Amino acid sequence: EAGVTQFPSHSVIEKGQTVTLRCDPISGHDNLYWYRRVMGKEIKFLLHFVKESKQDESGMPNNRFLAERTGGTYSTLKVQPAELEDSGVYFCASSQDPSFGRSQYFGPGTRLLVL
Amino acid sequence: LAKTTQPISMDSYEGQEVNITCSHNNIATNDYITWYQQFPSQGPRFIIQGYKTKVTNEVASLFIPADRKSSTLSLPRVSLSDTAVYYCLVGPEGSGAGSYQLTFGKGTKLSVIP
Repeated sequence: EAGVTQFPSHSVIEKGQTVTLRCDPISGHDNLYWYRRVMGKEIKFLLHFVKESKQDESGMPNNRFLAERTGGTYSTLKVQPAELEDSGVYFCASSQDPSFGRSQYFGPGTRLLVL
Repeated sequence: LAKTTQPISMDSYEGQEVNITCSHNNIATNDYITWYQQFPSQGPRFIIQGYKTKVTNEVASLFIPADRKSSTLSLPRVSLSDTAVYYCLVGPEGSGAGSYQLTFGKGTKLSVIP
């Protein structure tokens, strides 16, 4: 079974540019989550999709971040315009049901560096 | 959500048993204790979860005392490949408001030495 995949693995952009991160969840997983760890901080929840609907986006830092999940399959997270403090690792996770804990499978992350 | 406290780092020689203790004094009645493992350049990976007493799987054991205010992750006979950051998470099981959010702390960085 293929795991959660993320693209790109690394991205280096300048302040003010736009970056789009992609996540492909495990096939059949309706629930998709985005987390991020900014430099020196802990991993923080960003948002949760159930199929194509946003179930909870309480962790999104501001309106420069836009997440979509067209068709309930893969998801994208766009940062526009990027700021220096957006640098960090962005993780995507998926699960079959929204239960806590064991059912969240994480991808390897996208490392974003904003210069 | 209950706050968790665990050691910042630990070192161990290969072949030893490693115990990592996590404090969660404010754990709620419906909270479970979950441990994740994260290798460098990878996302976190679930390793074990429990509610009370002892849980064991092929990777680790989890000991939870009766008052549930702490828990201990036990890794038997560690190898170099067990070098990773270990996170203790506390939260409710099942779908519910906010229960799908995993709350990570700083974790414990375990270094296994040859």
